[in-house]
Amino acid sequence: SAVISQKPSRDICQRGTSLTIQCQVDSQVTMMFWYRQQPGQSLTLIATANQGSEATYESGFVIDKFPISRPNLTFSTLTVSNMSPEDSSIYLCSVVLVKGAGGYTFGSGTRLTVV
Amino acid sequence: DAKTTQPPSMDCAEGRAANLPCNHSTISGNEYVYWYRQIHSQGPQYIIHGLKNNETNEMASLIITEDRKSSTLILPHATLRDTAVYYCIVRVAGTSGSRLTFGEGTQLTVNP
Repeated sequence: SAVISQKPSRDICQRGTSLTIQCQVDSQVTMMFWYRQQPGQSLTLIATANQGSEATYESGFVIDKFPISRPNLTFSTLTVSNMSPEDSSIYLCSVVLVKGAGGYTFGSGTRLTVV
Repeated sequence: DAKTTQPPSMDCAEGRAANLPCNHSTISGNEYVYWYRQIHSQGPQYIIHGLKNNETNEMASLIITEDRKSSTLILPHATLRDTAVYYCIVRVAGTSGSRLTFGEGTQLTVNP
């Protein structure tokens, strides 16, 4: 299985600022995803990070608020822009090693608190 | 998208088998059933998945009914470390590739 390094592990940010979260994988992966988990709730998919092209966003999430980059097969970033307290959540990166088979591996997450 | 229904919480005695049910009555023929768990403050951990046959690995067993409308995850000898939220997920095939859609899951508490 892949090993995912997600940074930072946690941060406290001022409202109105932006935070970029990094996801580095130790092997090439076909699919990379970003999830959000608000306090006490389940995981919600934000977007699929596509290598070399624009990310595919789920309903309710927009590129201006959550810009995503994926310059190669092992690295992606998620930016949370113009933050408000409602953005306080855990943000998780997830990857798939082989398309169509096996399990999805998750990073340990970034715990974001906006004050 | 096929939805899943799980009980919100379950309790189990340490050392006993934990049987976690999941209903997925609208599952399509080419959709897999995945199980993940999330221990507090950690990322979800893959447990097992299956299409229509029963599956077993070092962590658990997955029993899928013949009509595929429900399944049961079995932890044969639950320990305190198995206390977690367990998610039953049906994999969705979309234009952006197969992704996982999480429901609310079952909070399993293993008691000493």
